[in-house]
Amino acid sequence: SQQGEEDPQALSIQEGENATMNCSYKTSINNLQWYRQNSGRGLVHLILIRSNEREKHSGRLRVTLDTSKKSSSLLITASRAADTASYFCATGNSGYSTLTFGKGTMLLVSP
Amino acid sequence: GAGVSQSPSNKVTEKGKDVELRCDPISGHTALYWYRQSLGQGLEFLIYFQGNSAPDKSGLPSDRFSAERTGGSVSTLTIQRTQQEDSAVYLCASSLIWGNEQFFGPGTRLTVL
Repeated sequence: SQQGEEDPQALSIQEGENATMNCSYKTSINNLQWYRQNSGRGLVHLILIRSNEREKHSGRLRVTLDTSKKSSSLLITASRAADTASYFCATGNSGYSTLTFGKGTMLLVSP
Repeated sequence: GAGVSQSPSNKVTEKGKDVELRCDPISGHTALYWYRQSLGQGLEFLIYFQGNSAPDKSGLPSDRFSAERTGGSVSTLTIQRTQQEDSAVYLCASSLIWGNEQFFGPGTRLTVL
């Protein structure tokens, strides 16, 4: 089954630096979404990119999608300590009724 | 408006007992999802409701797990004869329609002793 796999598993940076996380998946998708999770509780939706889109921006977030390589990247610019969280990619397929989540990247931003 | 709410926030139970977890989705959202997350892991899809259609139960790990959604709103996830491996955070999410962004509740942390 399709599954988003995030890379790296963990990332540690200093405040002000950029953070890049990657996601690879296996089968065709309808859309790909990125979520953030703080303290192992509820997830917060960050951004959705559809299969016919290549890049999307939202504030300090930039998401790219390369369907030929079955990969996506999430870039957080000018990171802040408050960005410390786990980030998950999730893929949606018109043939499936829900999203398939990866195991996430744990981001630590130090002041 | 109010977000997705779940209750209880924490549940400790003994092995073999039944538990019920509740989810109140955002009003007007037709799609409701249940996921399970074990420590340090990603989300494992359990079950999905869309409107009045039959639920997608393909993710339920065993017949001890069941869920219902009454009146197209509140949902209850029931785990019968709980086992220690059922210990996890159970997350509920809703979306306006399938394929849209999902809004998550805070989760219920279940501990089976």
